[in-house]
Amino acid sequence: GENVEQHPSTLSVQEGDSAVIKCTYSDSASNYFPWYKQELGKGPQLIIDIRSNVGEKKDQRIAVTLNKTAKHFSLHITETQPEDSAVYFCAAGAMDTGRRALTFGSGTRLQVQP
Amino acid sequence: ETGVTQTPRHLVMGMTNKKSLKCEQHLGHNAMYWYKQSAKKPLELMFVYNFKEQTENNSVPSRFSPECPNSSHLFLHLHTLQPEDSALYLCASSPDVGPSYEQYFGPGTRLTVT
Repeated sequence: GENVEQHPSTLSVQEGDSAVIKCTYSDSASNYFPWYKQELGKGPQLIIDIRSNVGEKKDQRIAVTLNKTAKHFSLHITETQPEDSAVYFCAAGAMDTGRRALTFGSGTRLQVQP
Repeated sequence: ETGVTQTPRHLVMGMTNKKSLKCEQHLGHNAMYWYKQSAKKPLELMFVYNFKEQTENNSVPSRFSPECPNSSHLFLHLHTLQPEDSALYLCASSPDVGPSYEQYFGPGTRLTVT
């Protein structure tokens, strides 16, 4: 089955700095990669996703990059703000296959220091 | 109410107790999920329901028993749990089953087994 590794497990940055979270996956059939953000006391919420037919996607201060050859993808947050503090999860899925569930990474706790 | 709601938010139970977790979604979705979230571990998919039918059971012990009476409600019946079952239990829903459908998560039930 699919295995998703996520690093680092914790990340502390100063407000205004950039943050990068990296994930690797094992199954070459995976072609859909969402990122979820979980704030304290809440369930995870989708913030951005990327499909394997593109190498990069941006949404304001958030971007995701994908390297299919190396089987890794990353989340980039620029100009971090205190409200970005949360746990971030990457995931991998295979659309149009029998594997219909997402496989999640173990999460990265991001702390943005004001 | 909107979104995905879960009750109770916190539950403490002994190993011989029987309790149930409830999830309700107000989004008109057809698929519902139970996840187990333990500290510093990936989100662990437990069960998937699509149109009230169970489509996935990830080798979950029989002391966890799901029930989906309709597409809007999902229950997790608990009995003779072990201390290692203590975790945050998350419910999610999506328009349909498949990795590319955004999953909407509830806030979770924090379960402590004593």
